[in-house]
Amino acid sequence: EPEVTQTPSHQVTQMGQEVILRCVPISNHLYFYWYRQILGQKVEFLVSFYNNEISEKSEIFDDQFSVERPDGSNFTLKIRSTKLEDSAMYFCASSPLSGNYGYTFGSGTRLTVV
Amino acid sequence: AQTVTQSQPEMSVQEAETVTLSCTYDTSESDYYLFWYKQPPSRQMILVIRQEAYKQQNATENRFSVNFQKAAKSFSLKISDSQLGDAAMYFCAYRSAKAGGTSYGKLTFGQGTILTVHP
Repeated sequence: EPEVTQTPSHQVTQMGQEVILRCVPISNHLYFYWYRQILGQKVEFLVSFYNNEISEKSEIFDDQFSVERPDGSNFTLKIRSTKLEDSAMYFCASSPLSGNYGYTFGSGTRLTVV
Repeated sequence: AQTVTQSQPEMSVQEAETVTLSCTYDTSESDYYLFWYKQPPSRQMILVIRQEAYKQQNATENRFSVNFQKAAKSFSLKISDSQLGDAAMYFCAYRSAKAGGTSYGKLTFGQGTILTVHP
């Protein structure tokens, strides 16, 4: 069964450093998403991406965040200057179309900011 | 904006018994989709079951079924013949079906319910 692949599985970074989280969505999917889950809390939407541009973003997705699909297969989330409160699990997801399809989620990247 | 509420932070069930997890949501839309996701300790998000709001028939997937009450905006998950592998956090989620709507495409999650299965 096709999978969404995320790397790395765990990343530790110093506060103020830039991090790039990487995702390879399922190849024939058209919609891509990033979600965040702070430990023990609910999953929160960050951003959706379609046709090489952001289609929607949440209030969490401020100027410190950016997304990119640099080569037609990877989908990246960059955090420019990490804060302690950015420590969370970050999930990439993709969907073939909107509609009744649930997304396929990746296994997540655990980001720890120290 | 849509909201999803799971009022049971924790539930427990004996192996082989049945358990029901509750979810309510608030929306002004008439066309949408609802989902239950399972998150085991590995933290992978696994789709359990989905329901289209325009369908009156409740969705079922093997031991998992839903009770969808559109007027009451309620979407509960029933797990029959519970197994130890069902132990996980369960999230209810909402997705608009409205093309171009502000929430089009994104999932709005509830707070989650931790399910413990006792042998």
